[in-house]
Amino acid sequence: DAGVTQSPTHLIKTRGQQVTLRCSPKSGHDTVSWYQQALGQGPQFIFQYYEEEERQRGNFPDRFSGHQFPNYSSELNVNALLLGDSALYLCASGQGTGELFFGEGSRLTVL
Amino acid sequence: AQKVTQAQTEISVVEKEDVTLDCVYETRDTTYYLFWYKQPPSGELVFLIRRNSFDEQNEISGRYSWNFQKSTSSFNFTITASQVVDSAVYFCALSILTGGGNKLTFGTGTQLKVEL
Repeated sequence: DAGVTQSPTHLIKTRGQQVTLRCSPKSGHDTVSWYQQALGQGPQFIFQYYEEEERQRGNFPDRFSGHQFPNYSSELNVNALLLGDSALYLCASGQGTGELFFGEGSRLTVL
Repeated sequence: AQKVTQAQTEISVVEKEDVTLDCVYETRDTTYYLFWYKQPPSGELVFLIRRNSFDEQNEISGRYSWNFQKSTSSFNFTITASQVVDSAVYFCALSILTGGGNKLTFGTGTQLKVEL
């Protein structure tokens, strides 16, 4: 049984570019959340998707957007990248209010 | 607003020592969950435990134990007879259930180094 899988694992972009990160949830899970973890910090909640709709959102600008597909997989899009967007982006999946399981993350470097 | 404080930034111990990681939380909600996650260098957050706000019983799982005290808003984590493989960053987190799902608020983490 595969856990939460994320792609790509590492990527480098330049300021002003756009990036798309992908997440496949653990089998049986229908909720996907995204977190941003800056170096040396705890993860910060970006948003959560359920039934293909954004259900909750953290304190992130509109440059951060997402999508959930009918198969429950999800994408995180970040437009107009800033140096401060460099971080580990973690995807978590869950079922209802059960435990959240995290992937290994996508490490984004913005130059 | 919710807040989680992990005052210990880094702890170093020698293998076989016991170590306690502190976690203090703040929330106005009466129904919430508390979590501990382990983050090895690979980056993946590994789930360790979830407790709800109505269950203050301490829990033991092998070398791991957790002490939940609502009176002091603390949820501390103890590793008994630490091992080198326990070296990682440990995060305490809090979630409330308003809004229809889990939204975790994390602390800043405690880096645990276990040396031979």
